[in-house]
Amino acid sequence: DIEMTQSLATLPVSPGERVTLSCRASQSISTNLAWYQRKPGQTPRLLIYGASTRATAIPARFSGTGSGTNFTLTISSLQSEDFGVYFCQQYNNWPLTFGGGTKVEI
Amino acid sequence: EVQLLESGGGLVQPGGSLRLSCAASGFTFTNYAMTWVRQVPGKGLEWVSAISASGATTYYADSVKGRFTISRDNSKNTLYLQMNSLRAEDTAVYFCAKDRTMMNLYYFDYWGQGSLVTVSS
Repeated sequence: DIEMTQSLATLPVSPGERVTLSCRASQSISTNLAWYQRKPGQTPRLLIYGASTRATAIPARFSGTGSGTNFTLTISSLQSEDFGVYFCQQYNNWPLTFGGGTKVEI
Repeated sequence: EVQLLESGGGLVQPGGSLRLSCAASGFTFTNYAMTWVRQVPGKGLEWVSAISASGATTYYADSVKGRFTISRDNSKNTLYLQMNSLRAEDTAVYFCAKDRTMMNLYYFDYWGQGSLVTVSS
């Protein structure tokens, strides 16, 4: 199985800051990576797919980069509504696997 | 508006069975692969099972293979997860989710609110 590692469990930040989240795959997954945001009481929201393509209606402050095993989600200027848990998912191989998530909090 | 509504969760004894349903609306159900993902409270997401748009192809996590069966009724716009031989470690909130594309790529743009399954004596 491909293990997805998000090195930070919690990231304390302030509004307006630039935020960089990482996700590492235990083997190459090309660019078959998605990023999601989840807030308490809400369903996951797809942010990025194909490692770098923003999903529908996702603000431009969200961007994704990477290929192979190392991936990054960047929020250029954190807004108050961006606090929550961010997790990655690989869809290159079965079984699908998710990262453990990084909680972005004040 | 896309909606996914899970039902069928509850309390079951170890070794028992449950069938989860996911009623879909707001999109052409027959065109999209679907999946089940679970989350133990306080822990990360674990993919459980997936099914292609046609239903011809199914996939399972090793942890549920042989015990769970995914299916879909495209005439009813409903996804199912039959769970047999349930174990305490199957206790989780189960989510259904819709593939973003019609190409069976298995990343997901809409998720249900989840259905809690508790396996306990």
